[in-house]
Amino acid sequence: AGVTQSPTHLIKTRGQQVTLRCSPKSGHDTVSWYQQALGQGPEFLTYFQNEAQLDKSGLPSDRFSAERTGGSVSTLTIQRTQQEDSAVYLCASSLDAGHYGYTFGSGTRLTVV
Amino acid sequence: AQSVTQLDSQVPVFEEAPVELRCNYSSSVSVYLFWYVQYPNQGLQLLLKYLSGSTLVKGINGFEAEFNKSQTSFHLRKPSVHISDTAEYFCAVSVAGGGNKLTFGTGTQLKVEL
Repeated sequence: AGVTQSPTHLIKTRGQQVTLRCSPKSGHDTVSWYQQALGQGPEFLTYFQNEAQLDKSGLPSDRFSAERTGGSVSTLTIQRTQQEDSAVYLCASSLDAGHYGYTFGSGTRLTVV
Repeated sequence: AQSVTQLDSQVPVFEEAPVELRCNYSSSVSVYLFWYVQYPNQGLQLLLKYLSGSTLVKGINGFEAEFNKSQTSFHLRKPSVHISDTAEYFCAVSVAGGGNKLTFGTGTQLKVEL
């Protein structure tokens, strides 16, 4: 199996909290999260190697947080959602620092109303 | 920091015609280069990648790309396109040998017409 993301779609009212989930491809040790606004390319949010969050430079604000427990599943949580958070959130996993490429999930489409 | 420029936001082409999607990058260090394809409502699928070695890289679905270091380009080509190639194409870079952050271009919409 490849990268699995859930849920596929999500509609939230402004101010609510949302948690997105990602299961990486079997055997991959790194997980990355990207935000893709409508009509744009994906933008990097954060990256884990095993359980360690090595880079979170792309997180837009302190409302965004991510974790990876047990070295497998990763979650991305957005607190106090705002309309500008509406986007597709993509998860990618890789092996050996991306030397063999990155495998992407199908994404979670978040709509904040 | 790295950056990627995809000059063409849309490229219309007739079926069986050749196509080239342009990608230029900027980086002060060595990079890996990637092309991804995204079909509607789907995630990104890797078409091909350049890590090192031969500058001509062949990928899936008949696509190929050529790395040109002097021109900092990595253009994607296909000699004969099919209707099923209609999709969004993204060029991306990462730091060679240690980066786990992909920097993407804004994408090129390839529309293949009969």
